[in-house]
Amino acid sequence: QQQVKQSPQSLIVQKGGISIINCAYENTAFDYFPWYQQFPGKGPALLIAIRPDVSEKKEGRFTISFNKSAKQFSLHIMDSQPGDSATYFCAASRGGGSEKLVFGKGTKLTVNP
Amino acid sequence: DTAVSQTPKYLVTQMGNDKSIKCEQNLGHDTMYWYKQDSKKFLKIMFSYNNKELIINETVPNRFSPKSPDKAHLNLHINSLELGDSAVYFCASSQYTGGPQFFGPGTRLTVL
Repeated sequence: QQQVKQSPQSLIVQKGGISIINCAYENTAFDYFPWYQQFPGKGPALLIAIRPDVSEKKEGRFTISFNKSAKQFSLHIMDSQPGDSATYFCAASRGGGSEKLVFGKGTKLTVNP
Repeated sequence: DTAVSQTPKYLVTQMGNDKSIKCEQNLGHDTMYWYKQDSKKFLKIMFSYNNKELIINETVPNRFSPKSPDKAHLNLHINSLELGDSAVYFCASSQYTGGPQFFGPGTRLTVL
């Protein structure tokens, strides 16, 4: 049972465009939703995270939008740059993050110059 | 000045062998984790330790045995390696259970 569904599997965006990656979850007990960025040959790195008491969180060019009723959250990358090309993972956990992180299957983002 | 380090980076071995992967964090964190990333890049937690105590143990074959000699180290020993064990194994740490997790660079294990 896949608890966090991520789409699309891959995404190609032109430099300066907006990249949007979506995730949907099933477990209403989830209350911590981080996004990770992974470059080839490297470990995942925490990009931004949100808790369900807010509907949006922005850090620089990265924004998480959260829709509790729809059980969906998304990552928006504004003014996408070639350096943003990486695999992005959404994740979710219960207990404010104290329980295990359940990851989506990842989205490979390519930003063309 | 690596925060979470793993050795070795690459490990190639034959089926049936026993191998270990070491992880060290110099962040002063209390919680450490092992993850497996398969060939399709799917990340799944295997184990988590908090202050040397096991707190998460997913349904991992008992051929996998984590050991935490102190809270800065979490090693993974794998007995009787199988082809399906081939993957990238990541160690991670967080200041407290539930805190942001910092991942190591990974160990690519190839079982022939």
